[in-house]
Amino acid sequence: QKEVEQDPGPLSVPEGAIVSLNCTYSNSAFQYFMWYRQYSRKGPELLMYTYSSGNKEDGRFTAQVDKSSKYISLFIRDSQPSDSATYLCAINAGGTSYGKLTFGQGTILTVHP
Amino acid sequence: EAGVAQSPRYKIIEKRQSVAFWCNPISGHATLYWYQQILGQGPKLLIQFQNNGVVDDSQLPKDRFSAERLKGVDSTLKIQPAKLEDSAVYLCASSLDVRRAGALTDTQYFGPGTRLTVL
Repeated sequence: QKEVEQDPGPLSVPEGAIVSLNCTYSNSAFQYFMWYRQYSRKGPELLMYTYSSGNKEDGRFTAQVDKSSKYISLFIRDSQPSDSATYLCAINAGGTSYGKLTFGQGTILTVHP
Repeated sequence: EAGVAQSPRYKIIEKRQSVAFWCNPISGHATLYWYQQILGQGPKLLIQFQNNGVVDDSQLPKDRFSAERLKGVDSTLKIQPAKLEDSAVYLCASSLDVRRAGALTDTQYFGPGTRLTVL
């Protein structure tokens, strides 16, 4: 079993739709949860991070963590064509693992006008 | 602020040849990472440096991969000899100082990557 599982999609939605992206993880030691966005032929860039169960909102983006279910989500409201990218969840165990991130495989999102 | 620089951007080689990638991190960043991203997968950490010392190289195939970060700034990743399964994008990332700032706040900034094709 992979440590982090992410539905690869691809996901295609119309502009203005609400998008839900999800990951599950197996290691209860994971403490920090991040979402990265990766445009084609670019490196990933950090969108959001959180370390506790619950919701965290930043503009049109909401990150949700449920540690009891080992489930994390990213919601995008009012999606725009510029949101078309690959979205990667990344998880860190913290402590002596320092910066080691374990990534999901990524979900390819296309928002069409 | 300049971002993480990588070169070359693209490289095509035959199997069993050797190849080297170069990374220049953001100025002042103590922590440097090399990731391998195979098509359709998320990045996988190969090696992590703190200044010029190795913090984690548990997933580096040491029989063919090597990396160094002399003087704690630039870094090179080498593959010798290359195999077909090494075809991937090699990403370099840097962060301010993961041991000082802690994992939560020490954001990793990624370069554009080097796309390697092994024929």
